[in-house]
Amino acid sequence: QLQLQESGPGLVKPSETLSLTCTVSGGSININSYYWGWIRQPPGKGLEWIGSIYYSGSTYYNPSLKSRLTISVDTSKNQFSLKLSSVTAADTAVYYCARESSHYRMDVWGKGTTVTVSS
Amino acid sequence: DIQMTQSPSSLSASVGDRVTITCQASQDISNYLNWYQQKPGKAPKLLIYDASNLETGVPSRFSGSGSGTDFTLTISSLQPEDFATYYCQHYDNVPPKAFTFGPGTKVDTK
Repeated sequence: QLQLQESGPGLVKPSETLSLTCTVSGGSININSYYWGWIRQPPGKGLEWIGSIYYSGSTYYNPSLKSRLTISVDTSKNQFSLKLSSVTAADTAVYYCARESSHYRMDVWGKGTTVTVSS
Repeated sequence: DIQMTQSPSSLSASVGDRVTITCQASQDISNYLNWYQQKPGKAPKLLIYDASNLETGVPSRFSGSGSGTDFTLTISSLQPEDFATYYCQHYDNVPPKAFTFGPGTKVDTK
């Protein structure tokens, strides 16, 4: 059974870079049917798509975050990662990773990890 | 940019009720719409894709309809485990690909 697990620091200082990794288990990230994405949810608010990556490294980013965002993939480790630079309190959120299947379905999700931006 | 709205933002219902949630797009999005359920402290769960297709394993009391700009998620007979927040999500499959979520509809107990 495919599982996704987010990991990374729970606290990041303002102006620094937020870095998270999603580890895929129970299946390979190196499959041409899927994209792998990041979604976040600020406290008490709705969901925001951050960006997606294909195993080949091809990426799609939310235009509102694009200038600060880098998503990468490491197929040897079955992981993909998120880096968001110059963070502010507005980037405080639960960050989820998810698999994007056919018909653009986000059908498998990680449990999410809370990131707080604070000095 | 395409904007997604949902109504109502919240509703109160009882077990056994028929519940309808609407999602509206700011322009024609064909059937490029998915629905998710999220319970507190949990990740979202896919319910419906391409506006009306039931995801494998999702109970048949959930159904979706619509195309163009107006979409509906219906729960035919609300069950205790259905109290949650529901989000619609548009996907733009023309590069650059993008996903836009609606603001959500919270279903709580009357």
